[in-house]
Order: sequence, then structure tokens, then C-alpha cells
Amino acid sequence: DIQMTQLPSTLSASVGDRVTLTCRASQSISRRLAWYQQKPGKAPRLLIDEASRLESGVPSRFSGSGSGTEFTLTITSLQPDDFATYHCQQYDSNPSTFGQGTKLEIK
Amino acid sequence: QVQLVQSGAEAKKPGASVKGSCEASGYIFTTYHLHWVRQAPGQGLEWLGTINPKGGSTLYAERFQGRLTMTSDTSTSTVYMELSSLRSEDTAMYYCARGVSLFGATIDPFDMWGQGTMVTVSS
Repeated sequence: DIQMTQLPSTLSASVGDRVTLTCRASQSISRRLAWYQQKPGKAPRLLIDEASRLESGVPSRFSGSGSGTEFTLTITSLQPDDFATYHCQQYDSNPSTFGQGTKLEIK
Repeated sequence: QVQLVQSGAEAKKPGASVKGSCEASGYIFTTYHLHWVRQAPGQGLEWLGTINPKGGSTLYAERFQGRLTMTSDTSTSTVYMELSSLRSEDTAMYYCARGVSLFGATIDPFDMWGQGTMVTVSS
């Protein structure tokens, strides 16, 4: 199985900050990488697929980049609603696997 | 609007089976694969498998082979997930989720999610 590693596991930031979350794959997954946002007690929400394609309705302050084994999710000008846990998922090979998540906390 | 509505919480003893349902609405049921993903308390997400509601073909993660069965009922736009030989490590929130690809892939991101079914396994 492809292992997905997210760094850091927890990130403290302030409203207005720019933050970058990292996701690394144990082998190349091309650009078959998705990012989700999850709030406590809720299901995940798809933000980005194909490494950089923003889903409809997702604010433009979210962006994704990367290919192969290294990927990033950047949030510019953090808003209060952005404090949540972010998960990456590879869907290049069976089984699809997720990272352990990065919890974005208010500093 | 697209909705996935799941059945309620379950409490089971080790060795038992659990069967959850996921009713889809707001789109043509047979045009998207449905998947099951679980999340143990405080943990990350884990993909269990997928079903193509048109025809009922399935693909399961290898670690669940032999314990996991997914079925679909096109008359009610509902998919089912049954996990047998439960153990304490199966305690988790189980989500159904729709793959993004129209008529498409068995391995996909998920654009719509159910509200989750909490399964607790305890003696």
C-alpha cells in the first residue's frame, strides 16, 4: 500500500496568516491527490483533486500543488472558518490511502 | 440536492456482524460509484471498498477481503455495507461517500459524504 505522510501533524496559526501543509507519498502517484477539510463531528469536505483542481464553491484562498511524491496545500489569509483538520488522499492505486491529517489550530 | 443518508449508530459485541445502509438522492443512483470510508476515534481516514450500483460489482481493500460485503438496491437507491467478525479495532465512524467520476473509476476522490454511522464494538 502507498503510505501518505502529512506534515506537520498540528499547526498553530493566526487569522490572516498564510500556511502551507505538506503531504508526501511513499511512491509516485502522479497528480492523483485530493485534499479534504474536516471539522469536529462532521464528514470530510473535498477541497481539491488532481493535486490542484479546486472544487466548486471552495474559496480561492485555498490552492494545491505538487506531483509525484510531494504535495502542498496552501491557505492564504486564514479565516476563522479554516481552522479544521486537513486530510490528503491518494487515488492512484488500490487501496486508496489517506494521510493521518494535519490539525490547523488557532494560535 | 445530492444527499447520502446513513442508518443509525450500532453497538455490537466482538465476533458479531454489522450492516449499515446509505440512501442516495438528488442524482441518478447508477451513475456514480459509492464507497465506504471509516475513521476510528481520533484517527485518520481508511478506505474500505467501493460498489458500482449499476450491476453491483465491488472492489474491496485487501485487508477487509472475506469480512466485508457491499450490496446495492437500485429500487431504493440504497447501498449496504456489512462487516463481519467484528473486533474492538473496528470501532469507528463509517461513512459512505460518492466517487467524483461520472460512470467512472473504482479509485476516486469523494465529492459527497453521508453523515456517518458510528459502530462501537465492545464486550
